[in-house]
Amino acid sequence: GAVVSQHPSRVICKSGTSVKIECRSLDFQATTMFWYRQFPKKSLMLMATSNEGSKATYEQGVEKDKFLINHASLTLSTLTVTSAHPEDSSFYICSARSYSYEQYFGPGTRLTVT
Amino acid sequence: AQSVTQPDIHITVSEGASLELRCNYSYGATPYLFWYVQSPGQGLQLLLKYFSGDTLVQGIKGFEAEFKRSQSSFNLRKPSVHWSDAAEYFCAVGGGSGGSNYKLTFGKGTLLTVNP
Repeated sequence: GAVVSQHPSRVICKSGTSVKIECRSLDFQATTMFWYRQFPKKSLMLMATSNEGSKATYEQGVEKDKFLINHASLTLSTLTVTSAHPEDSSFYICSARSYSYEQYFGPGTRLTVT
Repeated sequence: AQSVTQPDIHITVSEGASLELRCNYSYGATPYLFWYVQSPGQGLQLLLKYFSGDTLVQGIKGFEAEFKRSQSSFNLRKPSVHWSDAAEYFCAVGGGSGGSNYKLTFGKGTLLTVNP
């Protein structure tokens, strides 16, 4: 149980375009979903926290208008990187929690902006 | 503010040897503590967690960790390392009372290399 999927696993897009990443909790209802960014050989940096039906809470320094987060249902959250630039290239990981403290992580999405 | 320190960036051990990965945390209240493992290009898998109770917790894959409040530590141990244990290990701390929307703060990770 407690499986989280992400789609796509890898995406390459051109500079200036937008790309959407989906995060789904497959076998539980996620009251809260988290989006992280991980640079090579670096730790996870929390970007934002989203609760179902509410606006996401962004961490300091994360551009809300660039990283759009939608948590429309208890099993789906999306991260849209708008007007992507090469510096947005990274590994994006989502996680989800239900009614316990434990977070379950997705397998990650490798974004490359050319 | 909560923080996690993993003093060792990279550790190399021989297969069959024992392992201890260090983790020190800073948190103003009762911490919830976690150890995660990440293989290259993959997400994070939970090894074990501490919420309360017995300070020695057992996890998957033969790992265990001990919570020592006096030392603000939560070190991860394994008595005999297998080649498949080679990966990046992250320690994380969260609020014990569900504060801050259950956010976790991660350490910078320790890369484990296992020699045959």
